[in-house]
Amino acid sequence: EAGVAQSPRYKIIEKRQSVAFWCNPISGHATLYWYQQILGQGPKLLIQFQNNGVVDDSQLPKDRFSAERLKGVDSTLKIQPAKLEDSAVYLCASSLDPGTLGDEQYFGPGTRLTVT
Amino acid sequence: AQSVTQLGSHVSVSEGALVLLRCNYSSSVPPYLFWYVQYPNQGLQLLLKYTSAATLVKGINGFEAEFKKSETSFHLTKPSAHMSDAAEYFCAVSEGSSGSRLTFGEGTQLTVNP
Repeated sequence: EAGVAQSPRYKIIEKRQSVAFWCNPISGHATLYWYQQILGQGPKLLIQFQNNGVVDDSQLPKDRFSAERLKGVDSTLKIQPAKLEDSAVYLCASSLDPGTLGDEQYFGPGTRLTVT
Repeated sequence: AQSVTQLGSHVSVSEGALVLLRCNYSSSVPPYLFWYVQYPNQGLQLLLKYTSAATLVKGINGFEAEFKKSETSFHLTKPSAHMSDAAEYFCAVSEGSSGSRLTFGEGTQLTVNP
């Protein structure tokens, strides 16, 4: 079974530029998550989708971050314009059944973003 | 609101020694608790999870954790460390009220010395 795929793996941009990350979850997984992991910290949830609807985006900085999950499969996360403090690893995860408490989340390898 | 505290951002042990990584949680409802491991430049991998069944949970790679409600703890242990255990470990909590949303601790970097 293929895991969660993310691209690109690394990205370096200047502040005020825009950037987009792509995620392909495990086939059949209804729920998709984007996390931000700043160096030395644990991952922080940015947004959670169930199929193609948003379940939780309370911690997404909506003035500069946006995300979509068209057709309930792939997802993209965009930052525009980027700030220095956005330097982090962006992790995508998926889980099978949103109705199952404690449902395991499977993580992709992440995209390491450096904003200079 | 739920939260997780991992005591000790860095833990160093000798190969063959006991591994003990500490995790305390705060939750207003019975929690679901997880331990994840992250190797360099990789995503997180689930080691084990507690979902209100047995309080002693066994996971992969010889790790186990014990849920202690009275101490609000979920410490991770392994009897004998191996060099391949060197990684960062994250404790996470999920509450029923928030569905499957995970709140992570800050992580503990485990070093295993030969």
